[in-house]
This record gives sequence, C-alpha cells and structure tokens, in this order.
Amino acid sequence: NAGVTQTPKFQVLKTGQSMTLQCAQDMNHEYMSWYRQDPGMGLRLIHYSVGAGITDQGEVPNGYNVSRSTTEDFPLRLLSAAPSQTSVYFCASSYSLKAGNTIYFGEGSWLTVV
Amino acid sequence: AQSVTQLDSQVPVFEEAPVELRCNYSSSVSVYLFWYVQYPNQGLQLLLKYLSGSTLVKGINGFEAEFNKSQTSFHLRKPSVHISDTAEYFCAVSDSGSARQLTFGSGTQLTVLP
Repeated sequence: NAGVTQTPKFQVLKTGQSMTLQCAQDMNHEYMSWYRQDPGMGLRLIHYSVGAGITDQGEVPNGYNVSRSTTEDFPLRLLSAAPSQTSVYFCASSYSLKAGNTIYFGEGSWLTVV
Repeated sequence: AQSVTQLDSQVPVFEEAPVELRCNYSSSVSVYLFWYVQYPNQGLQLLLKYLSGSTLVKGINGFEAEFNKSQTSFHLRKPSVHISDTAEYFCAVSDSGSARQLTFGSGTQLTVLP
C-alpha cells in the first residue's frame, strides 16, 4: 500500500540547473497538488490538478511547471533553480476536495539550491 | 479566497497538562476545516476535520476541535498531552464550493516537556 510516493528525498542543485521532482499515487485519486514548506510560512500551494490533462496555478507558481498526463503521476519541474527555491516539497493527493475528502501527503523532498 | 491564522508559533506544555492550539480563519463562503499533524521529517497526517453538523469534532490520538462560526475559529484541544504529541500542527481551510485549494496556516510547534 504505497500511497503517495515522492522522489528524490534529498537533492542539491546548483543555481540555474533544472530538475524534476517525481510524484506518484496508487489510490486512483483525481486531485493532486504540490506544496512547498518554509519555516514560519506553513505550506504554500504551488500547482494543482483536478484530473489528467488539467492543471492550475496555486499561490506560488513562479519558477515551476507541472503536467498531468496520467492519473497516477504529477511531476514538478524546476526550470532554472534559484536559491529561493530551497525548501521542502510535498506532493499530496485526494479523491476530490469536494465533500471534504482527506488529502494524503508524501514524505517530502528536501531541495537545496546553492 | 480564504486565509488561516495560527496565533501561536510555539506552545510548550508539560506532560499530562491540557493544551489548546488556536486557529482563526477568514472566508466569504462556507468552508471545510482541518487539523493536520507533522512529526519530524515526515509528511502531514490528518488529525480531524469539520465538514458540517456538530461543531465539536473528535479526532485521532485524543484530540478534538470546536468550530465556532461567529468567531471564525477552529481551536484544537487535548485534555492531557504526552511526550509523543510533540510535533508541528497545521490548521487548514478549504472552500466547500469550488474545493480546489487547501490553504494552510503557518503552523504551531507543540513541545511536550517531561
């Protein structure tokens, strides 16, 4: 019972490099999202998707791209990494946010940009 | 749009003492309310949620929360804490209508002292 799986768990990037954080869920959830967590700021929504082929921006989308080609996968791409993107990233999924369905979180990806 | 304010960033409390973690929200529409817990180096887990009905909601690990619509609050309480309750706690709100985003507060670090 894998739930929400994120890879890699830790990554160090140089400024200007690009990379992709992978997220997969095996619960057939329609809703998937990416958050970043910074000290004293809680979790802020980067991008979300309500189904395959449908994505939308959250609170802090700049510098990140997403796509949703399958129900299971929702990768987050950093196009040109900046030190301000040093953070802990969480992928989350839910059957739907309607009716207050629970969101399930991955274990996080720690990213450092130097 | 909605927002969440967690009034205390740090709450130290002695073991077996009661605790209250405060959460206020603002929204122009009906909302769903959640409390999540994050143990060190882990993802977030749902503690409890309010969708409708009784304003007193019971969750896991002996926690409960009370929804107060007039004061736009959703405070989390536990009558007797344990060392194992040491964690960060996040209040979150979702618009019950469009249900596309879950907005988090900045978090409260609960530290239970022996």
